[in-house]
Amino acid sequence: SQTIHQWPATLVQPVGSPLSLECTVEGTSNPNLYWYRQAAGRGLQLLFYSVGIGQISSEVPQNLSASRPQDRQFILSSKKLLLSDSGFYLCAWRDWRLGTLEPGELFFGEGSRLTVL
Amino acid sequence: DQQVKQNSPSLSVQEGRISILNCDYTNSMFDYFLWYKKYPAEGPTFLISISSIKDKNEDGRFTVFLNKSAKHLSLHIVPSQPGDSAVYFCAASFFTNAGKSTFGDGTTLTVKP
Repeated sequence: SQTIHQWPATLVQPVGSPLSLECTVEGTSNPNLYWYRQAAGRGLQLLFYSVGIGQISSEVPQNLSASRPQDRQFILSSKKLLLSDSGFYLCAWRDWRLGTLEPGELFFGEGSRLTVL
Repeated sequence: DQQVKQNSPSLSVQEGRISILNCDYTNSMFDYFLWYKKYPAEGPTFLISISSIKDKNEDGRFTVFLNKSAKHLSLHIVPSQPGDSAVYFCAASFFTNAGKSTFGDGTTLTVKP
């Protein structure tokens, strides 16, 4: 079976500090990977997605970047955090080859709560 | 411009009664609509979906209705249970790169015993 893990679960960082959130998927190969953010009281906003190693698409211009150094590893980074980067970050995966999946269905990780002070 | 909207931030119902969660969208080209359920400090989990060519999909206590002319969909939960208390997100996607879903802001459902 497939699993997805994110870490750290909770992070408190000062403004201007760097960020690295990591996500790994087990039990599948060449999945599509996604980073979403949920700001307080809001829905999920797609930040980045990747269809393969080294292939990153950015959905919104921002202070963050993403990388996919390995097939099942997705990293969200920032060189200098802003207050507005606070939120709940969610990694998700999807393997279109799984015929049982509903179109659009995503499997989300546990999330990482980032507070920038 | 928010393409998927959930205009009710919260909903409270009594156990055993029906819960109706609503969602409106603006882009008539969406191919699929999905509902996710989210508990605090956890990632969302998929609940039920509906294709744009259908008007109803049912799975146990959960039924999703789609009204394309009104660009409106709703999730019905019957009967509601306390364990259904969570945030429900409506999402819309296209066939191409189906994981790029557009989400609403969510509705917090509270089911009272």
